[in-house]
Amino acid sequence: GAGVSQSPRYKVAKRGQDVALRCDPISGHVSLFWYQQALGQGPEFLTYFQNEAQLDKSGLPSDRFFAERPEGSVSTLKIQRTQQEDSAVYLCASSLAGQFVYEQFFGPGTRLTVL
Amino acid sequence: ELKVEQNPLFLSMQEGKNYTIYCNYSTTSDRLYWYRQDPGKSLESLFVLLSNGAVKQEGRLMASLDTKARLSTLHITAAVHDLSATYFCTISAGNQFYFGTGTSLTVIP
Repeated sequence: GAGVSQSPRYKVAKRGQDVALRCDPISGHVSLFWYQQALGQGPEFLTYFQNEAQLDKSGLPSDRFFAERPEGSVSTLKIQRTQQEDSAVYLCASSLAGQFVYEQFFGPGTRLTVL
Repeated sequence: ELKVEQNPLFLSMQEGKNYTIYCNYSTTSDRLYWYRQDPGKSLESLFVLLSNGAVKQEGRLMASLDTKARLSTLHITAAVHDLSATYFCTISAGNQFYFGTGTSLTVIP
């Protein structure tokens, strides 16, 4: 079956532009996570949804970052007024489980480059 | 501060050799994961370890967990080129997941 998909796969933005990154989780998956992976580093947690509820956004680095999942399926990560330090791969992962997440399935990521 | 430390960070090994990657973590965790990431690709789950003393094996890879020492190992037996990738150790605390910095493995013929 279809896995987690993300779009676009690559995004180049000029500093100060707003960007929107989309994640389509596996159908029926309750939990959805966003991670930021800088070059040569491990992924870092950004935020977590259970259905449409954003239960944890403690990893969002600034108020320029905003995530939503209005209908409990597709999620969008929005970055306003992008800065060079926002350049990274943004990974989305989903899980069938709600309260106790045992296994995550990762999407291919969106590579964001801010010039 | 919650930390997940892996060593070595870079590993170059010859085909046919054995080696172990170590993962130390700083806080109690109820689950430990090992992931593989190929260049430009996403993460592939290798193992989930749930309890002290857990050992899992898949092909040439074997993972173990010592929760008292807060240590997990990923042992590679008779390495082959196809194992070249970056390997991440990850712990979970609630529904937050914390990744190590990764071990970049290169297997040379």
